[in-house]
Amino acid sequence: GESVGLHLPTLSVQEGDNSIINCAYSNSASDYFIWYKQESGKGPQFIIDIRSNMDKRQGQRVTVLLNKTVKHLSLQIAATQPGDSAVYFCAESTGSNDYKLSFGAGTTVTVRA
Amino acid sequence: ETGVTQSPTHLIKTRGQQVTLRCSSQSGHNTVSWYQQALGQGPQFIFQYYREEENGRGNFPPRFSGLQFPNYSSELNVNALELDDSALYLCASSPQGETQYFGPGTRLLVL
Repeated sequence: GESVGLHLPTLSVQEGDNSIINCAYSNSASDYFIWYKQESGKGPQFIIDIRSNMDKRQGQRVTVLLNKTVKHLSLQIAATQPGDSAVYFCAESTGSNDYKLSFGAGTTVTVRA
Repeated sequence: ETGVTQSPTHLIKTRGQQVTLRCSSQSGHNTVSWYQQALGQGPQFIFQYYREEENGRGNFPPRFSGLQFPNYSSELNVNALELDDSALYLCASSPQGETQYFGPGTRLLVL
């Protein structure tokens, strides 16, 4: 069956450094990928998305890279700030009629001052 | 803030009881999806409603049911509550087929 998972459950980053969060997926039919950030006690917050016809997309301080050959997705955060401390989830969808999202277990990012 | 609201924020129930959770979607969004998030895990898709009809369902038993109203708000109903139903219940709204934006969730504890 399909699964979406992150390579590492935790990541500790020095403030000001760049962060890279990785995600592997197994469903080759997946064609839409999203990164969400979830802070304690809150719902997931949309960060950035990418469709399978692209391999890179940039936002404000964030970049998502998609490698369909090895079914790998990554989120890069530039100049990590204390407010970036949260759990990060990648989610994927096959773009089928219900557009359901399948989430991995998440990576907890802790920013050291 | 996404504009998606959920009520109540917290709820305590006992086994066997029934619960109704509510979600108001962001203005202009006609699709609502519900997810269950157990502690330390990613959200799991329960079902989706589009124009008042169920439009896809995850691996959840029939005692999980829902409704969507003409104003696109939605309810999640869970009957015969079990201890394992304790979780954060999230709703997400979107235009059909587009990015889903989540509400803050309802934390349900079943004793």
